[in-house]
Amino acid sequence: TAGITQAPTSQILAAGRSMTLRCTQDMRHNAMYWYRQDLGLGLRLIHYSNTAGTTGKGEVPDGYSVSRANTDDFPLTLASAVPSQTSVYFCASSDSREQFFGPGTRLTVL
Amino acid sequence: ELKVEQNPLFLSMQEGKNYTIYCNYSTTSDRLYWYRQDPGKSLESLFVLLSNGAVKQEGRLMASLDTKARLSTLHITAAVHDLSATYFCAVDMSWSNYQLIWGAGTKLIIKP
Repeated sequence: TAGITQAPTSQILAAGRSMTLRCTQDMRHNAMYWYRQDLGLGLRLIHYSNTAGTTGKGEVPDGYSVSRANTDDFPLTLASAVPSQTSVYFCASSDSREQFFGPGTRLTVL
Repeated sequence: ELKVEQNPLFLSMQEGKNYTIYCNYSTTSDRLYWYRQDPGKSLESLFVLLSNGAVKQEGRLMASLDTKARLSTLHITAAVHDLSATYFCAVDMSWSNYQLIWGAGTKLIIKP
């Protein structure tokens, strides 16, 4: 079972460019999440979606947007990347009991 | 505002020793999670604690939850090198559709 996949695995991006991080799950979970992980700060929620067609803002949403057109996919878009968005990004999904995580995308914005 | 505090944030210990990681949170919740993260890897679920007094054990790890004290502990018994990792606790904002608030993590290094 694939679980949750993320793409790309890593990326170096020039400041000001846009990028979409992809996340796909095959567990038919309703809820999905995007986190960023920075050293010493744990995980911070960027955006979430409780079900297809709905999204919500997390703790650090500025500079990011999401969409949830169907149950399986939850892409995260950076419209105009800035160096402070350098981080490791994790996508997760939930069966309402616990969250399951993808392998992460390491993004460097120069 | 819900805050989750772990301590210690860094722990270096010898194999064979016992130790406890603490997770305090600031407001009412009756769901708490422990995750493990190896360097450069994703997060792996260890324990889901769903009620006051819950205790779960897996191998050398045991987790407990005291919702009245707003405290969870992760106890390591007779540590072995393979348990070296970063451990996170997370508390469920159950009023907000299963969003989790995360502790900063405890980096555990177990020396042979």
